[in-house]
Amino acid sequence: NAGVTQTPKFRVLKTGQSMTLLCAQDMNHEYMYWYRQDPGMGLRLIHYSVGEGTTAKGEVPDGYNVSRLKKQNFLLGLESAAPSQTSVYFCASSTRQGAFGYTFGSGTRLTVV
Amino acid sequence: KNQVEQSPQSLIILEGKNCTLQCNYTVSPFSNLRWYKQDTGRGPVSLTIMTFSENTKSNGRYTATLDADTKQSSLHITASQLSDSASYICVVSVGAAGNKLTFGGGTRVLVKP
Repeated sequence: NAGVTQTPKFRVLKTGQSMTLLCAQDMNHEYMYWYRQDPGMGLRLIHYSVGEGTTAKGEVPDGYNVSRLKKQNFLLGLESAAPSQTSVYFCASSTRQGAFGYTFGSGTRLTVV
Repeated sequence: KNQVEQSPQSLIILEGKNCTLQCNYTVSPFSNLRWYKQDTGRGPVSLTIMTFSENTKSNGRYTATLDADTKQSSLHITASQLSDSASYICVVSVGAAGNKLTFGGGTRVLVKP
């Protein structure tokens, strides 16, 4: 059982560069989420998806785009990276009833210089 | 505004001792409260989940309590081990499906031999 897999694990970008973070889950979960975690702060929701082909904005969506073309994959894109986007990014997935089965990936540490 | 406050921010305990972490929340409508353990460089892993009607839940040496009237929760670690060194995050779910999560900033626990 792989659960939720994120790639890459680490990345350094220059300001203005673009990149895509990939999240894959093998639990047949309907819902998927992207969070960012900054020092001293709780995880904050960037975007989420309630099913294949759907996306919605979370708490801090600016500067990010997402796509959910397949149920098992949820992509997070940065079109023009900024130093403020230096963070650790976590993907998660859950069933419709999210109380149980809410599973996080191991994170992607992104540094924008 | 939905908020989850945790205390202390960090603590150091000696191996074998007990400790208690606190969580206060202002969230509506409340669905459930979870405690997660996050090891350095890893994603959060669920320890306990409690619904409105539950006031205690155990997972091995971890025991969580919930007072829905005062909107407080605690996580008690018994006979701490070096592997308990981690951040502990209190998370409150909002809404009927429980998919919308509000995260506390976490308590960093360091267990020393």
